[in-house]
This record gives sequence, structure tokens and C-alpha cells, in this order.
Amino acid sequence: GIQVEQSPPDLILQEGANSTLRCNFSDSVNNLQWFHQNPWGQLINLFYIPSGTKQNGRLSATTVATERYSLLYISSSQTTDSGVYFCAVYGGATNKLIFGTGTLLAVQP
Amino acid sequence: EPEVTQTPSHQVTQMGQEVILRCVPISNHLYFYWYRQILGQKVEFLVSFYNNEISEKSEIFDDQFSVERPDGSNFTLKIRSTKLEDSAMYFCATSLGSACFGPGTRLTVT
Repeated sequence: GIQVEQSPPDLILQEGANSTLRCNFSDSVNNLQWFHQNPWGQLINLFYIPSGTKQNGRLSATTVATERYSLLYISSSQTTDSGVYFCAVYGGATNKLIFGTGTLLAVQP
Repeated sequence: EPEVTQTPSHQVTQMGQEVILRCVPISNHLYFYWYRQILGQKVEFLVSFYNNEISEKSEIFDDQFSVERPDGSNFTLKIRSTKLEDSAMYFCATSLGSACFGPGTRLTVT
């Protein structure tokens, strides 16, 4: 099956800093989503992005499907950005989401 | 904005007991899913459900698990005889394109 790897596994930032999170996948995918898991465990849908670039406030995402990666950019980070960021892909003939390993982000005041 | 809801938010049960986790999907969504996340680990697929039947299931989804839509709207996950290793957060998700996740049910098996 498709393997989804994320980097870095952990990241500590000072408030106001920018960061880039990466998601690599091992095969062609039909679609890709980015999620933020907040400290209460909820999975918040950030982007549904099979290709191209999307922006939502301080967050933006780019997926280059032909090169099998996606990037999530966080600018001017805030403490509320802390949590785990997951990318997840739909691949092949399946309609299920396959989750990556996650990036644990801690934003310090 | 429509959202997926789940009940209960937290369930504590004794090993060997049956539990039923409930989900109310977004009404016009066609695909329904259950995922689980053991504490500190990644989110794992359990089962997908489309057109009132299971379309795909993982190796985790063995004979002690079952899913159904008892009344055409709710979507349930039943664990027949819980084990300690079933302790996890269980997420329901529904999809019409992008997947929307419910807030989860934290299951603790003692």
C-alpha cells in the first residue's frame, strides 16, 4: 500500500516564526488532505488539495502530485497552532484516507 | 456549516463488554468511515461503508467489529467483546469528496 511520511517529526517554534511541513507519498494519489489535531484530539480539516496551491489566512499548502509531495506553510505562528499536523492521501482504487506519521508542532510564547 | 457528531465523547468499559459507538454523518455524504487512533500514534483506517454495505476494511477490523446504519441516518461501530488494546480514540468520518471527521469517542477498556 501507499506509504506516507512526514517531516520533521517534531518542531519547536517561537511565536511569530514561520515553518514548512512536508509530506511525501510513495505512489500516485487521487487526493490529499491536511489536518490539524488540536490538544483536545479533534481533527480539523485544513486543506483538500490534490494539486496546486491554496491559502487560508496564515496557512497555505502546495501539492506537487507528479513529484509525490505536499507542503504546509505556517506563517507568523501562534501558540494556538500547536498540535499535530497530519497529511492524508486517497490512493489508487481505494476511497480510504491513509494518514501520515504526523508532525508535532509546539509554538512557544 | 454541517458537521459530523459522535456519541458518547468518552466511554469507559470493562474488558469483555460490548460497546456501541454512534455517529451522525453529514446528510448528503455518501461514504462513511471509522478510524481509530491509539494514544500517541497515527490515525488508522478501520472500515469504509458505502451504499449500505462495507466497501473496504482493514486487518484491524476483525470479527469482533461490526458497522451498521440502523435507521438510515445514524452510523454505528460495535465492538463485541472489548480488549485492553481496543483503548483508543475512535473517529467517524464522512465524505463527499473531502473527508470530514467527527470529534471522536475516547474508549477506555479496563
